[in-house]
Amino acid sequence: AVQLVESGGGLVQPKESLKISCAASGFTFSNAAMYWVRQAPGKGLEWVARIRTKPNNYATYYADSVKGRFTISRDDSKSMVYLQMDNLKTEDTAMYYCTAESLTTVFDYWGQGVMVTVSS
Amino acid sequence: DVVMTQTPPSLSVAIGQSVSISCKSSQSLVYSDGKTYLHWLLQSPGQSPKLLIYQVSNLGSGVPDRFSGTGSQKDFTLKISRVEAEDLGVYYCVQATHFPFTFGSGTKLEIK
Repeated sequence: AVQLVESGGGLVQPKESLKISCAASGFTFSNAAMYWVRQAPGKGLEWVARIRTKPNNYATYYADSVKGRFTISRDDSKSMVYLQMDNLKTEDTAMYYCTAESLTTVFDYWGQGVMVTVSS
Repeated sequence: DVVMTQTPPSLSVAIGQSVSISCKSSQSLVYSDGKTYLHWLLQSPGQSPKLLIYQVSNLGSGVPDRFSGTGSQKDFTLKISRVEAEDLGVYYCVQATHFPFTFGSGTKLEIK
């Protein structure tokens, strides 16, 4: 069965950094584009970042709200995807979901989410 | 950015009734390959989102055929026939044609 398991969340102060991780299993990770999507408390969903596969040069894409502060990366040998978050702001407080693109469609697989709280 | 307008914001229905949710985009969602990357997700209470329908009308894995999707260009509809208790939650449309991908604001379905 497909599994995406996020980890590394927590409470940080504004301007600090945090790196969250997502461990994937049950599908051919190296063939799948990976995404991070977030959800602020009581709010809707917001796409954050995307990383493509090796044949696509691991191209990355970011929402304007995080561009220049967040970095998505992947390690195909470990079936892991990461989100390095620098210069965090209070408005980055959210549940962060790891999601994978299957052979069929984007957003086919979702993790359970990891909470990131930015507060002084 | 493409704006996704979802209506209504909430619905209250009895078990066995049918409901429809509308999603309208500010731009056509037809990609250069001819496909339309409009998808529907359900977020059940306390859960992560789950894919229901992809590319307008294709059922996700394990999704019952009580769910159906229609539409084209800028105007899309999710229909749930014979609502069941397990269908409660928030439904989102999302477009994956144009970057950045954007979500509708959600429709909360409650069971009477």
